[in-house]
Amino acid sequence: QVRLEQSGAEVKKPGSSVKVSCKASGGNFMKYAITWVRQAPGEGFEWMGGINFLFGTAKYSQKFEDRVTISIDASTGTGHMELRSLRSDDTAMYHCATSLTVTGNDALETWGQGTMVTVSS
Amino acid sequence: QSVLTQPPSVSGAPGQRVSISCAGGRSNIGAGYDVFWYQHLPGSAPKLLVSGNNIRPSGVPDRFSVSKSGTSASLAITGLQTEDEADYFCQSYDSSLGRVFGTGTRVTVL
Repeated sequence: QVRLEQSGAEVKKPGSSVKVSCKASGGNFMKYAITWVRQAPGEGFEWMGGINFLFGTAKYSQKFEDRVTISIDASTGTGHMELRSLRSDDTAMYHCATSLTVTGNDALETWGQGTMVTVSS
Repeated sequence: QSVLTQPPSVSGAPGQRVSISCAGGRSNIGAGYDVFWYQHLPGSAPKLLVSGNNIRPSGVPDRFSVSKSGTSASLAITGLQTEDEADYFCQSYDSSLGRVFGTGTRVTVL
């Protein structure tokens, strides 16, 4: 059974960047992709992008592609999501999750506990 | 900003049946893409509940079932229990946007 452990909460100033980590353990996590989604307070979830462990190929939602970089360190089983030029409306809970494909029509099988990012001056 | 629309809340007494709708469009659910449902308890990680062909991960009871018709899908919970009180959301795929999610529904057990 794959488990995902995310880094801790962050408080950032507008215009800065944040990098959230997601460490996979257990099971055969190398066969999965890591998907990143976020949920702003009172809102639904948004897909940001994803990357697969084997090939390190990242794909992004059009909404975020100019501000986000998703990367992976297969040697440690850790994925990273960096969001730049932060704005107040980026305040949200950010989750990583496993999926069979980077961008396909499949389920998010295992989720991390979430990382709260607060953007405030 | 959510592409799929759900009712904000539904409620029912223990033992009753409740249903949650997930309304989409021709570029997502209506295009034949699978719909997945998740349970989200506050402060916990969301949990995959059931896939569009009623495949449930190990440990998920068959009280949770799904259906789809046209551009909408539904999650039914039969024999409602107090531990079912949670947020539920749907997820599908959109031919233009990629993975898309529902607005979320809070289920209250009366």
